[in-house]
Amino acid sequence: EDQVTQSPEALRLQEGESSSLNCSYTVSGLRGLFWYRQDPGKGPEFLFTLYSAGEEKEKERLKATLTKKESFLHITAPKPEDSATYLCAVRALTGGGNKLTFGTGTQLKVEL
Amino acid sequence: DVKVTQSSRYLVKRTGEKVFLECVQDMDHENMFWYRQDPGLGLRLIYFSYDVKMKEKGDIPEGYSVSREKKERFSLILESASTNQTSMYLCASRTTSWEQYFGPGTRLTVT
Repeated sequence: EDQVTQSPEALRLQEGESSSLNCSYTVSGLRGLFWYRQDPGKGPEFLFTLYSAGEEKEKERLKATLTKKESFLHITAPKPEDSATYLCAVRALTGGGNKLTFGTGTQLKVEL
Repeated sequence: DVKVTQSSRYLVKRTGEKVFLECVQDMDHENMFWYRQDPGLGLRLIYFSYDVKMKEKGDIPEGYSVSREKKERFSLILESASTNQTSMYLCASRTTSWEQYFGPGTRLTVT
């Protein structure tokens, strides 16, 4: 069974204090790892897709990286508007590769 | 711009009622999904559809059914609502590269 574990569950940062969120996964045949941002009371918003170990993607203050066992979402000099829950999900060969398995998320709070 | 809409943001129903949640996407995506999201459990897949009138069970289909009569519309049906179906329900559609786009969610309370 595919498993996705995110850590920490919650993270509180000061504005400008860089940090990383972790997503570790156990899957049979990774076909993609996805990062989403979710604001309270809203649906998740797509951020990145990573396909193979060593791949990196960047968007503004966010950079996602991938190894064979985990992915990191690095947040550089965060601002209060980066506060949200960040979800990662994997697509794998299990079940025909027709679904995503989500982690439970890291709730990020960035304070002034 | 990608758009997925859901028929209600908030819904309150009584135990035993039949509940319809509707989702519409305007991106001509073939694949659509229904999830529920609960604290500590994350997003769990209820059903998905890969074409009109085609559907497949996800991880937690019990107590739910779906309907897809048109490509842009995917409905989730609770045949007889129960209190353990109180949750946030999220609809999504996906691109060919598997980016999923979500609607705003329906927070359903069953009393």
